[in-house]
Amino acid sequence: GAVVSQHPSRVICKSGTSVKIECRSLDFQATTMFWYRQFPKQSLMLMATSNEGSKATYEQGVEKDKFLINHASLTLSTLTVTSAHPEDSSFYICSATQVQGRTGELFFGEGSRLTVL
Amino acid sequence: GNSVTQMEGPVTLSEEAFLTINCTYTATGYPSLFWYVQYPGEGLQLLLKATKADDKGSNKGFEATYRKETTSFHLEKGSVQVSDSAVYFCALRLDNFNKFYFGSGTKLNVKP
Repeated sequence: GAVVSQHPSRVICKSGTSVKIECRSLDFQATTMFWYRQFPKQSLMLMATSNEGSKATYEQGVEKDKFLINHASLTLSTLTVTSAHPEDSSFYICSATQVQGRTGELFFGEGSRLTVL
Repeated sequence: GNSVTQMEGPVTLSEEAFLTINCTYTATGYPSLFWYVQYPGEGLQLLLKATKADDKGSNKGFEATYRKETTSFHLEKGSVQVSDSAVYFCALRLDNFNKFYFGSGTKLNVKP
């Protein structure tokens, strides 16, 4: 199947700093990428939908100035957590859908665990 | 609204035991239903799916039937293996949208 890769897989940062997480589709072009956040023992919460070349669409309750999403190419989307605080510590997962057709299938990255001290 | 509810884990079974992980949903419209599996340190992988009522999805010995009357999509496997230890997520997708709704995940531990 298609491969989506996230980097870094783990990051620890100090409160007040910004952290960037990359999501790449390695062997296909993805017009749409999704960013999820997973709290312990809870479901994946969709944060935003990212379309190549346009502004991301954020879900209700997600601060767009806090979580900056850029989808500059068909193979790369980035999530930047600005001025991170301990409550931003979480597991962030990206996913992508292929350009051609509508398979109904999402391809997921390995996830990035952010710990804010 | 749209949501997915699945049984809390962890579920601990002995090898070759029968597995059932319950999943029910609420949806506006006619969703497609999915089971994803997440092995330790990896991303979610599609396990199986069903796109309409009464469809049965199956893969690697796992199966689930789309039951519209009970709004359920329970995951079953007749004989689990240690290698099946993972977190399983039930999800729905509304047709014509790429937006998925996930359950909270159920961790399965299979002991030899």
